[in-house]
Amino acid sequence: AQTVTQSQPEMSVQEAETVTLSCTYDTSESDYYLFWYKQPPSRQMILVIRQEAYKQQNATENRFSVNFQKAAKSFSLKISDSQLGDAAMYFCAYSAIYNQGGKLIFGQGTELSVKP
Amino acid sequence: SQTIHQWPATLVQPVGSPLSLECTVEGTSNPNLYWYRQAAGRGLQLLFYSVGIGQISSEVPQNLSASRPQDRQFILSSKKLLLSDSGFYLCAWSPKTGIMGNTIYFGEGSWLTVV
Repeated sequence: AQTVTQSQPEMSVQEAETVTLSCTYDTSESDYYLFWYKQPPSRQMILVIRQEAYKQQNATENRFSVNFQKAAKSFSLKISDSQLGDAAMYFCAYSAIYNQGGKLIFGQGTELSVKP
Repeated sequence: SQTIHQWPATLVQPVGSPLSLECTVEGTSNPNLYWYRQAAGRGLQLLFYSVGIGQISSEVPQNLSASRPQDRQFILSSKKLLLSDSGFYLCAWSPKTGIMGNTIYFGEGSWLTVV
């Protein structure tokens, strides 16, 4: 069975600085998707970034980028120029491509605080 | 564009009462649909998913059930709520194909407190 692990329950970053959130996963599949979701105090889950495992290029979305290491099964999220609005719970998630209805397997989350 | 709505946003129900949470998706057809629960703390647990009308897969044995009476409607139900059913419930959808296939988009969530 696939698993996702986020080893940092809490992280803190100074406004305008850079922070990296860690995620590792376990799967026997060769093709899959990885995601980072943000959950602000409103509790709505917001998609931050998506990575396709068969693409070697790391995904980027504005200030958000990932470091995808397929062999190491590692998928970290880097937030550059951190802003107060980035404070939230961040979840790493895995989705198989074939079968299983595309369901997501989530890590336990990392709570990010941003200091002014 | 596609949107997802779920209601009610907040619900306080006594133990033993029934439950019905509803979710609809607009702007797409034949989506995959999901119900997740987030208990106090952090982790999200997949409860049910559906790949089509009347097709429901249950991930964990529990007091809840799900139904998909229409293509873009997903309902979470219980006949008799337990205290342990309290939590934050999230409905979600994903397209089956296309450039964003398998990407899951979430609704606003519903807070359920069983008293």
